[in-house]
Amino acid sequence: DAGITQSPRHKVTETGTPVTLRCHQTENHRYMYWYRQDPGHGLRLIHYSYGVKDTDKGEVSDGYSVSRSKTEDFLLTLESATSSQTSVYFCASLLGQGTNTEAFFGQGTRLTVV
Amino acid sequence: AQSVTQPDIHITVSEGASLELRCNYSYGATPYLFWYVQSPGQGLQLLLKYFSGDTLVQGIKGFEAEFKRSQSSFNLRKPSVHWSDAAEYFCAVGARGNAGKSTFGDGTTLTVKP
Repeated sequence: DAGITQSPRHKVTETGTPVTLRCHQTENHRYMYWYRQDPGHGLRLIHYSYGVKDTDKGEVSDGYSVSRSKTEDFLLTLESATSSQTSVYFCASLLGQGTNTEAFFGQGTRLTVV
Repeated sequence: AQSVTQPDIHITVSEGASLELRCNYSYGATPYLFWYVQSPGQGLQLLLKYFSGDTLVQGIKGFEAEFKRSQSSFNLRKPSVHWSDAAEYFCAVGARGNAGKSTFGDGTTLTVKP
């Protein structure tokens, strides 16, 4: 296990409120990722980070921002939550490079926007 | 742009029977390919991966997958399914140099009949 924890595990919030999800890893992995998973779909990449303060957008980044001030923490923020952002959010971190690479996933955060 | 198609949304097999889950990908170069398994309420766990070399890849839990470049496929197989294999399975293609920046298929749900 790569020691990836997500918090909170469950959250209900109201439309228009800001929400921050936290991903914490203890393995000193350089790369970290935020995905969302919706029913009938695989995971879709929101944002990723390739080092402290280095982040980039994924395919579904609108409405989300991220920050990485320490190697171990990667935060996902919904500035103003909408019902379309109701989803399960997964964080992952990447071990190794080249053929040794492997992504480890957290347990997920179920977010409901009402 | 990379993409992944898993043609079968749901598959049911009897315990002890063989299993094949299909995956077709689109990628501009030689891809990194992955199969993950997700149990209900859990994160994703890597079953196996292909980067290069031998096109038949062995993974955990008795799974294997075969990379066929001519067919753009990476099908997952298991010779004898156990009830504990019931889960959702995701195929993914990852970017070289940043394997966590993956595109996932929509998943195949496996049901195992006693």
